[in-house]
Amino acid sequence: LAKTTQPISMDSYEGQEVNITCSHNNIATNDYITWYQQFPSQGPRFIIQGYKTKVTNEVASLFIPADRKSSTLSLPRVSLSDTAVYYCLVGSPMFSGGYNKLIFGAGTRLAVHP
Amino acid sequence: NAGVTQTPKFQVLKTGQSMTLQCAQDMNHEYMSWYRQDPGMGLRLIHYSVGAGITDQGEVPNGYNVSRSTTEDFPLRLLSAAPSQTSVYFCASRTSVSYEQYFGPGTRLTVT
Repeated sequence: LAKTTQPISMDSYEGQEVNITCSHNNIATNDYITWYQQFPSQGPRFIIQGYKTKVTNEVASLFIPADRKSSTLSLPRVSLSDTAVYYCLVGSPMFSGGYNKLIFGAGTRLAVHP
Repeated sequence: NAGVTQTPKFQVLKTGQSMTLQCAQDMNHEYMSWYRQDPGMGLRLIHYSVGAGITDQGEVPNGYNVSRSTTEDFPLRLLSAAPSQTSVYFCASRTSVSYEQYFGPGTRLTVT
């Protein structure tokens, strides 16, 4: 599985756009990039997944450059309720050799201030 | 759909006791996993299953057993509890073709 590196923590203010970058230099051809969000005392929640270029849903956007060695999760106009830990994962869910383990790193702790 | 359910929500054990954490999902997902999360840390994979009757070890399997007799249920057994197993335990499920994993609410376990 590709190793990922992301900032340990970030601070922002309500109404700002937040960009969290994840580095994954050894990403494989079949790997997808997946982001999860975790609030205190809850299990992680899937946010977004992408393979290349840009993916957008009602919660966030995911930007992936052509070389795919990094990705950026973009949260538009954050609010206090976006305070959470954000995890970047890289892997291929359709690996034909069997189960492809989802490995969570330490994540990025985002604090949104009033 | 109830999604992924876990019981109990909280549990206190004494060192050496055994217990089973229950996990069930009603989404007909093939894959199920158990994770533990220590304070301020990310999640670590304990055991996983790719279908009924098939289980395998994750990153930190020692001290835990699993079985999967049905698609819906994936219990985690602590054989002889130790203080190092104090943690929050999450069960999760997903299909075989997506990394969109659904997590349960967690079980907070304290071993004294």
